[in-house]
Amino acid sequence: AQSVTQLGSHVSVSEGALVLLRCNYSSSVPPYLFWYVQYPNQGLQLLLKYTTGATLVKGINGFEAEFKKSETSFHLTKPSAHMSDAAEYFCAVSGSYNTDKLIFGTGTRLQVFP
Amino acid sequence: DAGVTQSPTHLIKTRGQQVTLRCSPKSGHDTVSWYQQALGQGPQFIFQYYEEEERQRGNFPDRFSGHQFPNYSSELNVNALLLGDSALYLCASSDSRVLVSTDTQYFGPGTRLTVL
Repeated sequence: AQSVTQLGSHVSVSEGALVLLRCNYSSSVPPYLFWYVQYPNQGLQLLLKYTTGATLVKGINGFEAEFKKSETSFHLTKPSAHMSDAAEYFCAVSGSYNTDKLIFGTGTRLQVFP
Repeated sequence: DAGVTQSPTHLIKTRGQQVTLRCSPKSGHDTVSWYQQALGQGPQFIFQYYEEEERQRGNFPDRFSGHQFPNYSSELNVNALLLGDSALYLCASSDSRVLVSTDTQYFGPGTRLTVL
């Protein structure tokens, strides 16, 4: 079975500050991990994914995440927050097939203050 | 290249009614998955259609049913609507011939269903 836990339903940062959104997973098989972003009244957009290989994954809009197997974590970071980063962020886990269902966390709402 | 499209954008129904939501997958994709996202929650997997058959199903009652057409588009039907069915319904498409290491699931903008 697979599951995802996102620590912190709300995170607030100042513009220019570091963004850190936490995600821990549980999986009985090698996990494939994702971060999606959802802007108000919109669908989900893929930020980045980890499948195999390099454990530090770079995504769009300056975000990156590091897969740490020993800690079962896949935290999302961005060195400098921008106002446009304000959105809901979801961590998800799946199996190795493109058609495997995605198991999502409950989401973290990121607020960015000027 | 059009992405995943869904219709309608918004829908208001009353308890007990039935609703049909529609999804057209990304060009080249043959598999459609449906997710329910309640307010303040992450999306939850409802079911997946491939080759016009339901291939996987999440923990949803039989009131939720679907269909996939030969052109790979899909419908989600919900019967006997309950207040708790109010949610954003997301459709995701994928290509069954590739692994997640080379491609991913693409989501549509969703249909916002309100049950009064």
